[in-house]
Amino acid sequence: DARVTQTPRHKVTEMGQEVTMRCQPILGHNTVFWYRQTMMQGLELLAYFRNRAPLDDSGMPKDRFSAEMPDATLATLKIQPSEPRDSAVYFCASGLVSGGGPYEQYFGPGTRLTVT
Amino acid sequence: GENVEQHPSTLSVQEGDSAVIKCTYSDSASNYFPWYKQELGKRPQLIIDIRSNVGEKKDQRIAVTLNKTAKHFSLHITETQPEDSAVYFCAARVPSGGSYIPTFGRGTSLIVHP
Repeated sequence: DARVTQTPRHKVTEMGQEVTMRCQPILGHNTVFWYRQTMMQGLELLAYFRNRAPLDDSGMPKDRFSAEMPDATLATLKIQPSEPRDSAVYFCASGLVSGGGPYEQYFGPGTRLTVT
Repeated sequence: GENVEQHPSTLSVQEGDSAVIKCTYSDSASNYFPWYKQELGKRPQLIIDIRSNVGEKKDQRIAVTLNKTAKHFSLHITETQPEDSAVYFCAARVPSGGSYIPTFGRGTSLIVHP
């Protein structure tokens, strides 16, 4: 049963520190999403990759957030410097786009980030 | 961009009752509407979806209906059970450059009382 994996599952850090979250998409999937989930805002799309190319990062604060896919098996989301308002659960999701039709997103378990 | 409104934000029902969650979307180009269930502390998981060329889809106790003219779609759960308690998210996808960028609703917290 293939699953999206994320590390770390929990991260507590102090304001100003760099945070790196990692995601391993399901093998063979060609799209990767990063979401942030908070009680106030719900699920927010931060970044979207297809075939490792960033297609949409309009939801991501550019001054402190960055997202990359160094290779097909790894996606990273980095926050530098972190702030208390970044405290949230960050989900990675992957999917297989084929022929332009709809596809299912498979979510990872999430990284719960707390910035003090 | 697409905007998805979801209501109610909280829904409390007795076991065995039906539950209905409604979503509206703004972009008439949206053509795929998935629903996700997220149990406490867990990841969202797809439970049912519907394409724009279909008006209704059922899967056991779960059904989804779509009204393209009115731009709204609904999730119906019949004979609710305590294990149905979770947060449910609707989403609408707009084709964008051959890909589908999803927009999620804010979620509905469903509580089923035994």
